[in-house]
Parts: sequence; C-alpha cells; structure tokens
Amino acid sequence: GAGVSQTPSNKVTEKGKYVELRCDPISGHTALYWYRQSLGQGPEFLIYFQGTGAADDSGLPNDRFFAVRPEGSVSTLKIQRTERGDSAVYLCASSPRQGQNEQFFGPGTRLTVL
Amino acid sequence: RKEVEQDPGPFNVPEGATVAFNCTYSNSASQSFFWYRQDCRKEPKLLMSVYSSGNEDGRFTAQLNRASQYISLLIRDSKLSDSATYLCVVSNTDKLIFGTGTRLQVFP
Repeated sequence: GAGVSQTPSNKVTEKGKYVELRCDPISGHTALYWYRQSLGQGPEFLIYFQGTGAADDSGLPNDRFFAVRPEGSVSTLKIQRTERGDSAVYLCASSPRQGQNEQFFGPGTRLTVL
Repeated sequence: RKEVEQDPGPFNVPEGATVAFNCTYSNSASQSFFWYRQDCRKEPKLLMSVYSSGNEDGRFTAQLNRASQYISLLIRDSKLSDSATYLCVVSNTDKLIFGTGTRLQVFP
C-alpha cells in the first residue's frame, strides 16, 4: 500500500518568504507527526496531531511555525518569514493510533532558505 | 546535555565483522525504546524495538538496561548493505526523541 507522501520533495526559497509543506499520511492512520532534521543531527520533534487537533506542539521553535490538519488526514506545515536557520529536512510520520507505536516516515521535504 | 547520546562514528568495519553501538538516555521516565535505520538522504525506518529482556532479529540483537539508562545494538556478520546511520530513539509520550545517529560503513 501507499506510504506517507510529502510534497514538495525540495523547496528553495528566499529569506523572509512564506512556505507550506504538505504531508499525506497512510490511509487510516489517526496520528500524524512533524519532525525537522538538520545536517548531522537526528530528527527533532515539532508537533503531533491526533485526528484534527494538535495534541502536542511543544517542539515548534517559535510562532513563525504553524501546522494544521483540518480534516484529520492531510497536514500542512506553514513557516512564515523564513530564515536561513530554517533550512533542514522536514519529515512527516504517521501511526495507526496514538501511543508508543511504530511511526512510519515520509521521504521528507528538503527546505533551503537562501 | 542531549536527551539521547550516541557516538556519531563513523564505524568502519570489514564484511563479516561484529559491531556494537551504544546509546544513553537521560529521562528515566522513558518507556519505549527503538533503533531506527536511516540510509543517506532517506527517511528513518524502524529496525527494531528494544525490551529489557533483550531481543534478537536475525543478525541484530538489542538490549536495554533501565538501571543504567543504556541501550545497545549488536550487528553480527556485517553485510555491505548494513552501511547506514543507526538512530537510537526513546519515547515516554507519543513523540520520539532521537539521538544524533551512529554512522556505520561496512567495506569489502
């Protein structure tokens, strides 16, 4: 079956611009996670959705970052006024339900802020 | 101090060698433990969960020591295809906390 998909695969933008990153989880998975991975580091948690609601957004670095999941399936991560330090791979993962279950990762969106 | 600490490597080993990775974690409330594998420019994929009793999956053996807050991964009879970064992961809620990863390079 289809795995987690993310679009775009690559995004190059200029400092100060707004970007949206999209995640399509595995069908039927109610839990959805966003992580950010910088070069040479492990992924860092950003936000977690259970259904439509953000259950934990403690990893969002500041108020320029926002994520939504309006229908409990597709999620969009939004970054306002991008900065060079936002350059990273943004990974989305889903799991069948909340709890400490296996998370299935998408291929990521590589964001480069010039 | 990072919540999950790993030696970044790289570990360069010949085919057929046995190699061990270690990891320590700081949050004693952590409840779930995993090793993920990440190939270059790819997403992380679950290699195996880790239990206090230890668990084995083919050539891979994982061990957890809760008292020492220490996790290990042993790979026997290394293959070229084992070359990747191995991420130590802990969780006490729904989010995963990753180490920086240990890079393994298996050479012929």
